[in-house]
Amino acid sequence: NAGVTQTPKFQVLKTGQSMTLQCAQDMNHNSMYWYRQDPGMGLRLIYYSASEGTTDKGEVPNGYNVSRLNKREFSLRLESAAPSQTSVYFCASSENIGLAGAKNIQYFGAGTRLSVL
Amino acid sequence: GENVEQHPSTLSVQEGDSAVIKCTYSDSASNYFPWYKQELGKGPQLIIDIRSNVGEKKDQRIAVTLNKTAKHFSLHITETQPEDSAVYFCAATDAYSGAGSYQLTFGKGTKLSVIP
Repeated sequence: NAGVTQTPKFQVLKTGQSMTLQCAQDMNHNSMYWYRQDPGMGLRLIYYSASEGTTDKGEVPNGYNVSRLNKREFSLRLESAAPSQTSVYFCASSENIGLAGAKNIQYFGAGTRLSVL
Repeated sequence: GENVEQHPSTLSVQEGDSAVIKCTYSDSASNYFPWYKQELGKGPQLIIDIRSNVGEKKDQRIAVTLNKTAKHFSLHITETQPEDSAVYFCAATDAYSGAGSYQLTFGKGTKLSVIP
C-alpha cells in the first residue's frame, strides 16, 4: 500500500518553462489537495478537489492549474514557471472533505522539490 | 477565514525533558485540530488529533489539550527522545460542522530539537 505517490521528487526549471506535477493515491479517497511549503510559511493550500470532477481554489492559486484526472490522480500544472514558485510541493488526500463526520485526516506524499531559475 | 498562530518557531530540549507547542485559532467554527510531524525530507504525518467536544487526548508520550473558550490548543511531548526531533505543525478546520470549507489551515511550524 503506497499511500500518496508524487512524481517527480526533484525538478529544476528555467523561468517561463512549464511542467506538471503528478500525484496518485491508492486509498480510494474522494478528496485531494495540493500545498506548497516555503520556509517560515508553513503549508499553504493551492487547490483542492473535494471529489472526482470538482476542483476549487485554495489560499494561493495564482500561477497554477489543476486537473482531477480520475479518482486516483490529481495533477498540478505550472504554465509559465517563475522564481517565486520555487518551493516544496505536497499532495495530500483524505476520505471525504465534504461529509460531516467523515474522517478528514489528510495523508501526504513525500513532496516535489522544485527550483525555478 | 481561519488564522492559526503557532509558537515557538524553534524549541530545543534535553533528552528526557518535556516539550510543549502552543497554537491559537481565530474561527470559532473550527472543530477539528490535528497535529502533524514532518521529518527531514518527508511529508507531514498525522500524530494526534482532537475534536472540539473533547478537552484532552493522550497517546503514549504525546497529548493534546484544547481550550475552546480561549481558542487555543497545545501539543505536549513527555520524555523526549532524539527521534522526536522534527518540525511539528498544528492545524484547524471546521470538518464536522456539516457546512463550510473543510480546508485545513496550518500553523507555520515548530522545529523541535532533542539534544542527547
